[in-house]
Parts: sequence; C-alpha cells; structure tokens
Amino acid sequence: EAGVTQFPSHSVIEKGQTVTLRCDPISGHDNLYWYRRVMGKEIKFLLHFVKESKQDESGMPNNRFLAERTGGTYSTLKVQPAELEDSGVYFCASSRLADLQETQYFGPGTRLLVL
Amino acid sequence: SQQGEEDPQALSIQEGENATMNCSYKTSINNLQWYRQNSGRGLVHLILIRSNEREKHSGRLRVTLDTSKKSSSLLITASRAADTASYFCATAYSGGYNKLIFGAGTRLAVHP
Repeated sequence: EAGVTQFPSHSVIEKGQTVTLRCDPISGHDNLYWYRRVMGKEIKFLLHFVKESKQDESGMPNNRFLAERTGGTYSTLKVQPAELEDSGVYFCASSRLADLQETQYFGPGTRLLVL
Repeated sequence: SQQGEEDPQALSIQEGENATMNCSYKTSINNLQWYRQNSGRGLVHLILIRSNEREKHSGRLRVTLDTSKKSSSLLITASRAADTASYFCATAYSGGYNKLIFGAGTRLAVHP
C-alpha cells in the first residue's frame, strides 16, 4: 500500500508569488489533515477534511491560504500571495475512518521557502 | 490551548544504552501518539496509546501514559545509531475530532 505522498518536495518562491501544494492520501482514507512547521516552532494543525468537506479549519492562519479536496481524493493547499513567514515544512496526513483512535499517517512534507 | 511539551529537548547517549523521553500535556485526550522524524524526512508513526491504556510495547519501544499526571514517556531500549532522530509526542484531545497537538520534540543522538 502506497503511503501519503506530497508534491513538490521543495519549493522556493519569491514573496508575493503563488504556490500550490498537493497531497495524495493513502487510498481509501477519508480523513485528510494539513499541518505545518515553521522554523523553530512546533508542528501545528492547519485543517482537516472528511472526504471533500472541511471538518475543521481552525488552524488556517489567514485568508491567503486556501485548501481544497475536490472529489474527496487528493487535496491542494494554495498560498496566495506568499509571505516570508509562510516558509516552513507543510505536512499532510491521512487516516482511514472518523475513529477518534485512528493513527494518522504523514507524508514526507513540502519544504517551502519564501524569499 | 493545549500544548504538548517534551523533555529533554536534546539527549545524547551511546549505542546500547536506553533513552527515555517524556511528554506532558494539558487537557483531556483521546489518545497520545509518538512520531519519529529523521533529519529532513517525514514523520514516521511509532505508537499510539489510548487514554484508557497505561502501557504499550512495540519492539524496543515502550510507552507509558499517566492520565492523572497528564504525562507520557517513550523508552527506547538498547539504542542504535539508526535511532538518531527527533521524537515528537502528539495528543488527540477530547473534542478535537482527532486533530493532533504536537510538542516541540526531543532530539536524540545515539553515538556508535
């Protein structure tokens, strides 16, 4: 079974540009989560999809971030326009059911650097 | 808001020794999970312990959970150089629909 995959692995952009990150969860996993780790800080929750619906987006920092999961399969996270403080590692995770005891499996992350 | 905290922040040991990392949290949880991150890599899930469990084993890993003290520990026995990594605890708190709250992590260095 393939794990969670993320694309790209690295992205370097200039302030003001747009970047779109993609996450492909494990096949059959209804739950998809985005997290990020800004330099020197903890890994923080951004949002959670159940299939194509946003269950919880309380961690989204501001309206420059837009996440979608059309069709309930892969998800994209767009940052527009990117700011310097958006630099960090963006992780995606998925889990199978809406079971509160489900393990979340993480992807390798996308390293974003905004110059 | 809840925040997991690990200690120590960094740990340096010799191969063969045991490594113990601790994690504390602030609110009621559904479960607590430990993850490992090798330098520049993704998070690898190690073990999940539910709020009604007190101890769990997986290979050389032993996790304990004390909900009365709101703390957990991860013990790696007979450590190897390949265990060198950062270790994070993450809590899924009650009412949080399984979103994880991570601690800052412990950086473990195992020297041959």
